[in-house]
Amino acid sequence: DTEVTQTPKHLVMGMTNKKSLKCEQHMGHRAMYWYKQKAKKPPELMFVYSYEKLSINESVPSRFSPECPNSSLLNLHLHALQPEDSALYLCASSQGRTSGSADTQYFGPGTRLTVL
Amino acid sequence: DQQVKQNSPSLSVQEGRISILNCDYTNSMFDYFLWYKKYPAEGPTFLISISSIKDKNEDGRFTVFLNKSAKHLSLHIVPSQPGDSAVYFCAASAWTGGGADGLTFGKGTHLIIQP
Repeated sequence: DTEVTQTPKHLVMGMTNKKSLKCEQHMGHRAMYWYKQKAKKPPELMFVYSYEKLSINESVPSRFSPECPNSSLLNLHLHALQPEDSALYLCASSQGRTSGSADTQYFGPGTRLTVL
Repeated sequence: DQQVKQNSPSLSVQEGRISILNCDYTNSMFDYFLWYKKYPAEGPTFLISISSIKDKNEDGRFTVFLNKSAKHLSLHIVPSQPGDSAVYFCAASAWTGGGADGLTFGKGTHLIIQP
C-alpha cells in the first residue's frame, strides 16, 4: 500500500481566512513533504519533515505554517494568503534517506486551493 | 537556474511503438532519479527510479537509462498504450546529509499515444 491521503480535495478561501490542509500516511514513513504546483508548472518543494522535525524550509512565506503532530500526520496551516497562492498543494511521504540509499516519495492526490 | 530539464514539452507516439522521454540535469550532486506520471488535478504517480550507481533499471514495459557522464537519463515505454497518455515528470534528489531530501522536478513532457 502506497497511499497518501489529503483533505480537503478542494478549498476556497478569502484573504483573511485561516484554514488548514491535512495529509496522512500509514506506511510507516519517517519523512513527509509539502509541494506546491501552479498550472503548467512542475511541483516545487516547500517543506520537508524528517522524524517529525522540520528539516528543510525552502524560504516559504510565513503565511504558510507546517506542523507534524506525529509520524503519520502532516498539516499546512494557511493564514492571510494572497490570490497568487492559488495552486495544487501536494503532500508526499517516504521512508527517509541515509547515505547511498534510494528514497522514493509517494504523493497524495493534492488539495486544489483557490484564494479569492 | 533549471537543474532538471525536459526539453520536449510534448511527444506524440503511435500505439504499440516505443516512447522515449528524455531528461537532462546540471547538478552533479544528484544521485537518485525518478519518473512520475501525472494526470491533471491529481498527484504524481511513481513509475520507476534509478540510483546513480546503476545505468539501467527495468520494470515491465518501463526502462530507465542513466548516462552519468552526459548527465542524461531517458525513460523508454514499450509497447506504448493509450493509458500511457499523461504528463511525465523527471525528478532528482541529492543527499544533503539529513534524513530526507526534496525532489527537483523537470517541467514535464506531455505524452500522447495515438491509436
